[in-house]
Amino acid sequence: AQTVTQSQPEMSVQEAETVTLSCTYDTSESDYYLFWYKQPPSRQMILVIRQEAYKQQNATENRFSVNFQKAAKSFSLKISDSQLGDAAMYFCAYREIMDSNYQLIWGAGTKLIIKP
Amino acid sequence: EAQVTQNPRYLITVTGKKLTVTCSQNMNHEYMSWYRQDPGLGLRQIYYSMNVEVTDKGDVPEGYKVSRKEKRNFPLILESPSPNQTSLYFCASRTTGSPNEQFFGPGTRLTVL
Repeated sequence: AQTVTQSQPEMSVQEAETVTLSCTYDTSESDYYLFWYKQPPSRQMILVIRQEAYKQQNATENRFSVNFQKAAKSFSLKISDSQLGDAAMYFCAYREIMDSNYQLIWGAGTKLIIKP
Repeated sequence: EAQVTQNPRYLITVTGKKLTVTCSQNMNHEYMSWYRQDPGLGLRQIYYSMNVEVTDKGDVPEGYKVSRKEKRNFPLILESPSPNQTSLYFCASRTTGSPNEQFFGPGTRLTVL
């Protein structure tokens, strides 16, 4: 069964600095999707960034970028120029392309603290 | 505005008292799903539905029921809630085509005493 592991329960970073959140996953599939979701104190789940496994180019969305290492099954999120509004729980998630359930498999989350 | 709504947002109840958490989406999505979120465990899928009258179990379905009589609604039913069902619940929906994003509701914080 697929699993997603986030080994950092909590991370802190100084405002305007860069922080990297780690995520590893286990799968025997060759094609899949990976996601990073943000959950602020409002509890809303917000999609931050998405990566298709068949694309070698790392996805980027403004200050957010990923380092996707398929062979190592690693999918880290880099947040540049951290802002106070980035403080939240961040979840890494995996989904098989061929899964008709569209089920997301989630990591346990990393709490990101931004120090002013 | 495209959205997934859930009601109630907060609920405190007692063991054994039947309750329903409603979920509604206005995007004409075929697929809907329920997750529960617990500390240190991330989100786990309870039930999902591929379309009207089609539902199936996720990873943690025990103690829950769902129905999908209309495309826009996917209520979660707890016939006899127990304290181990105290959790944060999310409803999500998506289209069966691309893009792949799931839209999440705002969450329902349930406490069972």
